[in-house]
Amino acid sequence: AQSVTQPDIHITVSEGASLELRCNYSYGATPYLFWYVQSPGQGLQLLLKYFSGDTLVQGIKGFEAEFKRSQSSFNLRKPSVHWSDAAEYFCAVGAGGGNKLTFGTGTQLKVEL
Amino acid sequence: NAGVTQTPKFQVLKTGQSMTLQCAQDMNHEYMSWYRQDPGMGLRLIHYSVGAGITDQGEVPNGYNVSRSTTEDFPLRLLSAAPSQTSVYFCASSWAGGRNNEQFFGPGTRLTVL
Repeated sequence: AQSVTQPDIHITVSEGASLELRCNYSYGATPYLFWYVQSPGQGLQLLLKYFSGDTLVQGIKGFEAEFKRSQSSFNLRKPSVHWSDAAEYFCAVGAGGGNKLTFGTGTQLKVEL
Repeated sequence: NAGVTQTPKFQVLKTGQSMTLQCAQDMNHEYMSWYRQDPGMGLRLIHYSVGAGITDQGEVPNGYNVSRSTTEDFPLRLLSAAPSQTSVYFCASSWAGGRNNEQFFGPGTRLTVL
């Protein structure tokens, strides 16, 4: 069975600083990987996804993620964080053609002005 | 397009009551699913459907029933509510498999069972 680990429960960064959120996965085959963002009281919005090909994936809102098979990681990065990026971020791995998602426990991002 | 809609937004039940959470999508997606979100646990898959008339269990199916009579609708039924079912429930839909299987999530239903 697949699993996802997000080791950081809370992260605080200053506005304008760079950001990296960690994600490690366990999956027997080539993974479908996703990053979602959830603002308070809202649903989930897809930031980016990886299926195959280029291991550096660009997403919305200036986010990118890099797939590293050797490390079973799919870390999310942003070079300069904005106050509006404060939210909870979820990494997920998809089985069944990518539809059946297993989520990590999330990382809560706080941005200090 | 309304996307994925869920009703109600909030609900309070007493232990033992039953209810149905509604989910509808207007994107003609084959795949629909229900997740529950609990603090510190992320989202966990309850049930899913790959098309009308086809449903299957996810990670945490106990205490929930689903059916899929149309492509658009995928209701989640709580047969006899328990406090452990207090959670936020999200419905999602997507194309079935392949590169276009981005899951679109509804706004959620916050359920409290007393």
